[in-house]
Order: sequence, then C-alpha cells, then structure tokens
Amino acid sequence: NAGVTQTPKFRILKIGQSMTLQCTQDMNHNYMYWYRQDPGMGLKLIYYSVGAGITDKGEVPNGYNVSRSTTEDFPLRLELAAPSQTSVYFCASRGGNVETQYFGPGTRLLVL
Amino acid sequence: KNEVEQSPQNLTAQEGEFITINCSYSVGISALHWLQQHPGGGIVSLFMLSSGKKKHGRLIATINIQEKHSSLHITASHPRDSAVYICAVVKGGGSQGNLIFGKGTKLSVKP
Repeated sequence: NAGVTQTPKFRILKIGQSMTLQCTQDMNHNYMYWYRQDPGMGLKLIYYSVGAGITDKGEVPNGYNVSRSTTEDFPLRLELAAPSQTSVYFCASRGGNVETQYFGPGTRLLVL
Repeated sequence: KNEVEQSPQNLTAQEGEFITINCSYSVGISALHWLQQHPGGGIVSLFMLSSGKKKHGRLIATINIQEKHSSLHITASHPRDSAVYICAVVKGGGSQGNLIFGKGTKLSVKP
C-alpha cells in the first residue's frame, strides 16, 4: 500500500492563479482531511469528508473548495490564490472504526 | 487561549537523557493523540490514548483525564528522536473525530 499520496510536493503560484492539490489514499478509508500548517502554529483543519459525496467545512475553509467523488480521492481547490494561503498542506485519512489518522507527505505552496 | 497547549515549545537534550513533553487541554475529549513530525516534514501517529498509559519501545505516553493533561516521555534519548512532537485531541460529543492540534514541541537531541 502506498498509503496517502499528495501531489505536487512544491508549487509557486502568482496571486490570483488557481490550482488543485491532489490527495489519494489506497486504504479504503471513509474519512479524509485537509490541513494547513503555518510556521509556529498548529495544524488547522480546512475541510473534511466522511465518505464519497459528503464534505464539510473545518476551522479555516475560506478560499478553498473540495469535492469527494470517490473514496480514494479528495482534491483541494484554490480558486484565487492569495499570499495568506502560503503554507504547507497535509492530507490525511482514517478508517471508520479506527481513529489513527494517516498523513500524506505534504505540499508546500508559495503564493507570490 | 488555545484549546490544546504544549510545553515546552523547544527542548534541547543530550543523548541518553530522559525527556518529558507536556500537553494540557481545556475541552472534554474522547481521545488524545501524540504525533511525530520528522525534520523532512512527514507526520506519523505515535499513540492514541483515552485513559492510562501506553508504551512503545522507548516512548511512553500517559494521560490524566481528571486533570486534562498528558505527557510523552522518551527514555534514553537519541539524536534520531529529534523531531517536532504534536499533541492533538478529539473533542467529545459527536465531533466527527476531528483533531484539534497543539503547536508542537521541537526536540533536538545532541550526540
């Protein structure tokens, strides 16, 4: 099993550009999460999903959108990139009856 | 005030020392997690606790539900233990299992 994979690893965006951060898991987990990690701060939940077709906002959803059309994939969309979205983004997943979350390697995003 | 507080923020130790990292929380929880973030950025789960104590190799995690406090201990520390250690809690009462994270404790173990 590859676990949780994320692409790209690093990206530089110009203000106003859009992009999609990809996240895929091969563990058949129902729950998937997107977090952002800023320097000196704890991870913050952006969006989460409890299964295909079901998503909900986390603590910091503004400026982001998600979709969950399959169990495996949970892409995060930035429509109009802003410097405040410069961060490291982590995707994670967990099974329904097990609370351990498995994290992807992260995507480092720089918005200039 | 953050719902999850960790101390210390930074910790430097000599190889072989016994290390303690503390986590206090202000909300009712159903579980508490300790995670390790490697210098390269990857995050792995070390422990999930809802009561008592767990041990894995040189790592020991304890939790006191009444005092809303958990500790992570590392015995016979080694330079490869250098990482950021993160405490996270699962709020009780139908929170969908979402985690609330502390800011982390950066540990550096010198040879």
